[in-house]
Order: sequence, then C-alpha cells, then structure tokens
Amino acid sequence: IQVTQSPSSLSASVGDRVTIACRASQNLNKFLNWYQQKPGKAPKILIYAASSLQDGVPSRFSGSGSGTDFILTISSLQPEDFATYYCQQSYSTPATFGQGTRLEIK
Amino acid sequence: QVQLQESGPGLVKPSGTLSLTCTVSGGSISSSKWWSWIRQTPGQGLEWIGEIYHGGRTNYNPSLKSRVTISVDTSKDQFSLNLRSVTAADTAVYYCARASLPAAVEDYFDPWGQGILVTVSS
Repeated sequence: IQVTQSPSSLSASVGDRVTIACRASQNLNKFLNWYQQKPGKAPKILIYAASSLQDGVPSRFSGSGSGTDFILTISSLQPEDFATYYCQQSYSTPATFGQGTRLEIK
Repeated sequence: QVQLQESGPGLVKPSGTLSLTCTVSGGSISSSKWWSWIRQTPGQGLEWIGEIYHGGRTNYNPSLKSRVTISVDTSKDQFSLNLRSVTAADTAVYYCARASLPAAVEDYFDPWGQGILVTVSS
C-alpha cells in the first residue's frame, strides 16, 4: 500500500494553524498513524488509528480522516513543532510510510 | 519505561553482511510484543525491514526478505539484524522499534531506538 503526503514542505509561523494530508492507494479504514521526527532523532508517535492522541502529546495535534484520505492538524504552531512529519499505514503488512512533510519556520 | 538501543559497525564493505543488535532495557524482550527493524534513507525514506517475536517467529518485508535474517537472544534481551550482500543502496540510519501486534498492523511503532548510521563503502 502506498501512502502519499502533501505538501512535501511547508513554511509557517508560530501560532499558525497547519494541515498535512496523507492519501493512501487503497482503503485503510482508520489505520493510519502520524509521527514527528526532529533532526538526529527517531520518529515519535503522535496520532494512531487516524485520530487517537498518544499519551503525552499536546492537544494542539489532531488527526482526522478514514478510508484513503487523512489529515494531521496542528492548531497553533509552537516553536518545538518545527520538524518533519510522516504518516504510516497500519492496515496491512508491510507497514509503509509517507515520504514526509518538512515543516519550516517562515 | 522501555528503551531500545542499537549497536554495531558503522561501516560495512560492499557485498558484505550488515549486522546490528538492539538491546531492550526497562522491560523484557519476552513480553508479548513484536520487535522490528526499520531503516531510513534520504532516497527511499522510512522502510520497515522485518520483525521478530520472543518465541522466534519472524515476518519480513518482501522487498528485502531474500537478504534478511532477524534473530533474538532472550537471555540478553537483545534482537539482531543481518542483511547480506549489501550495496551502497543499503546505506541508511537503522532503527529498532516495538509494536504490540505483528508488523504493527492495526497498531503503531513505539518506542524507537535512537538509530545508528551504517555506511556501505569500500
């Protein structure tokens, strides 16, 4: 299963609301996860099963969608949110990841 | 809090075998979890390589299956990756990670190790 993210990069300012999209090549039901990766660090789970917030993740992060189209929303960007974000389908094996969206400071 | 740590050579010669170990701390590898290897390259992005359960059951990505072996040593709380016949295309940061279900189907990877850069070069 292929997952395609858009945009590949995004410039935004602190306080902005941003959305990142992920589209799958087939129906995933709700099985789509979102990770955040900072330079030199491993990916960190933010959202699982499309809309469930991982423990400890700030509530400004939210996920929505089902089927083939999913959205990650950051409601009010904070300085620590500038990173790369990946979606990952968990509907079937092998797990596959999107190519990433790099979120940069404007 | 379970933590994972990768170790192994940072440089492997072409046609050789890449061998890495992941050590699990703060918990037991014999818990009902699946232990994965995932790699990250600038060109291919994040790629799931395969996984093992403490009893020795394995699942591999079909794209790498012919070259990969994952094994477990429960006495040391470690699991290992062997990738044979490597080329420059196998140069990547290699991560180990945990999931509760096979291949993280209907699940997710958490936690991850910090990653180790392996370069394939003569």
